[in-house]
Amino acid sequence: EADIYQTPRYLVIGTGKKITLECSQTMGHDKMYWYQQDPGMELHLIHYSYGVNSTEKGDLSSESTVSRIRTEHFPLTLESARPSHTSQYLCASSEYPGTSGHNEQFFGPGTRLTVL
Amino acid sequence: SQKIEQNSEALNIQEGKTATLTCNYTNYSPAYLQWYRQDPGRGPVFLLLIRENEKEKRKERLKVTFDTTLKQSLFHITASQPADSATYLCALDEQAAGNKLTFGGGTRVLVKP
Repeated sequence: EADIYQTPRYLVIGTGKKITLECSQTMGHDKMYWYQQDPGMELHLIHYSYGVNSTEKGDLSSESTVSRIRTEHFPLTLESARPSHTSQYLCASSEYPGTSGHNEQFFGPGTRLTVL
Repeated sequence: SQKIEQNSEALNIQEGKTATLTCNYTNYSPAYLQWYRQDPGRGPVFLLLIRENEKEKRKERLKVTFDTTLKQSLFHITASQPADSATYLCALDEQAAGNKLTFGGGTRVLVKP
């Protein structure tokens, strides 16, 4: 079982609030990722990091921001939540070569965000 | 950018039969192709990886093939069980882009007893 944690698991919040979704991993992985997934739809990469002080935007534009001050911690922040931000947010980590020989990703359980 | 197509219709299958899922991609062939399982409300779990120079990979009751000419991977679950019911995602490893993964929409499998 992969040791990657996300809190909270569920969050219902009003429009305009600032929120931070937490993600931590105990595997010492350098690479970490944030995905957004709507029900029945594919995962879209919104942010990734290759190590401490490294953050990049993903393929899907997002109003969220991330930080990577410690290897194990990769929080995602929304300064002003809107109903369009309602979705499931999944955090993942990986390290080359991994047990598969190439960089398989380990996912957390996700945070389901609802913005009213 | 890469586009991945998986059958969005659910696959209903009788216990004990073989489930076969397809993953088609449109652009360049990736160096690696990965398959994940996702249960409702959970994050995906890695199952298998196949390299571009491998034709077939097996793990227990799972088998993956990779045909770079057809730009297609097939995922087989043999002797299927109700516990195999889940959504299965294929993901392409964009090695040139720093090992980011591009995921397909997944195919839901329902194994009936």
